[in-house]
Amino acid sequence: AQKITQTQPGMFVQEKEAVTLDCTYDTSDQSYGLFWYKQPSSGEMIFLIYQGSYDEQNATEGRYSLNFQKARKSANLVISASQLGDSAMYFCAMRSGNQFYFGTGTSLTVIP
Amino acid sequence: GAVVSQHPSRVICKSGTSVKIECRSLDFQATTMFWYRQFPKQSLMLMATSNEGSKATYEQGVEKDKFLINHASLTLSTLTVTSAHPEDSSFYICSARDPSGRATYEQYFGPGTRLTVT
Repeated sequence: AQKITQTQPGMFVQEKEAVTLDCTYDTSDQSYGLFWYKQPSSGEMIFLIYQGSYDEQNATEGRYSLNFQKARKSANLVISASQLGDSAMYFCAMRSGNQFYFGTGTSLTVIP
Repeated sequence: GAVVSQHPSRVICKSGTSVKIECRSLDFQATTMFWYRQFPKQSLMLMATSNEGSKATYEQGVEKDKFLINHASLTLSTLTVTSAHPEDSSFYICSARDPSGRATYEQYFGPGTRLTVT
């Protein structure tokens, strides 16, 4: 069964606008972690933000925030004030037990 | 943040030869490292989990005799693609877990190695 689902293969956003990238997950574990990574065309995986399953507050890191809705098993990434440099692939990932599971990614294009 | 390096960044080899990829954690000791494979425009696929001083754990469908993993020290893991074929051409990424990381199981990724087999 697919653990992480990203339903948006491609997204476009106007520069300076906010954009939400969707991610839903599936696990029966009580303790797990959710991550978002950015992968530019160079290929490196850049850690953006982390949310623990027991964290009551939504995680925020600068322009990135994670909209964590535990009951819905969703962990959407919100990027505020988009910049041209935000154009990249974005992967949602979940740590469950000793394993990491990655979604299929969303390609974000920021339009000037 | 923690730094993980990979060498080489790009490699081209002939079919039938072997190629070794190194993954190093530069400023922390990584008891566990992971090897991923990524085809163009696809997600990362975990190939194996490498534990220092013990045998690697391979994911289902990954040939352990073809993808040899050695984790001889707390800062170095190597992936050797043996008898490479064109279908092995891919982007290989390693990651290392820092036990003292902010996120308990946070992984730090290397920059990746693009392997092309001709």
